[in-house]
Amino acid sequence: DIQMTQSPSILSASVGDRVTITCRASQSISNWLAWYQQKPGKAPKLLVYRASTLESGVPSRFTGSASGTEFTLTITSLQPDDFATYYCQQYYSYSTFGQGTKVEIK
Amino acid sequence: QITLKESGPTLVKPTQTLTLTCTFSGFSLSTTGVAVGWIRQPPGKALECLAVIYWNDDKRYSPSVESRLTISKDTPKDQVVLTMTNMDPVDSATYFCAHSDSGYFHDSFDFWGQGTTVTVSS
Repeated sequence: DIQMTQSPSILSASVGDRVTITCRASQSISNWLAWYQQKPGKAPKLLVYRASTLESGVPSRFTGSASGTEFTLTITSLQPDDFATYYCQQYYSYSTFGQGTKVEIK
Repeated sequence: QITLKESGPTLVKPTQTLTLTCTFSGFSLSTTGVAVGWIRQPPGKALECLAVIYWNDDKRYSPSVESRLTISKDTPKDQVVLTMTNMDPVDSATYFCAHSDSGYFHDSFDFWGQGTTVTVSS
């Protein structure tokens, strides 16, 4: 099974901050990686797929990038609506989600 | 637009079988490339993809629970059903169904149901 190690687990930040979340895959997954945002009591929302393609309607302050088995989600200027939990998902070999990163108000 | 909605019991007893139904609209599971998956999330924990069914009736299951799962589709009714046998309290979770058309055996999920919470307790 492919393991996804996501860090940090909690991130404290302020509105306007640049925020970076990282996921590392235990083996090569090409670019079969997605990022989701989840708010309490709600379903996850797809933000990025194929590592760097922004889902339609997602603000351009969200960007995804990849380097080998390390994947990054960056929020260039954190907005109040962005405080949430973020998950990565590899879908190269079946599907595995990371453990999540909670972005909280500093 | 695409919508999905999960339905099923909110409470099951240990050892019982859970049956969940995903009723969807806005797409057809007979369209090439389309899939529906079931994903669960225990309280305060991460997501786990349990099973995915494809337009051609291929199925994939999470290795950790594969022996307990069956996923099926009723295309005319626009429904996908998940059964999980031998339920245990650790299976208490919110269960989501979701749509995918990202690629055969490469499933990211772009539309999700609201989720249904299942508690396993005697």
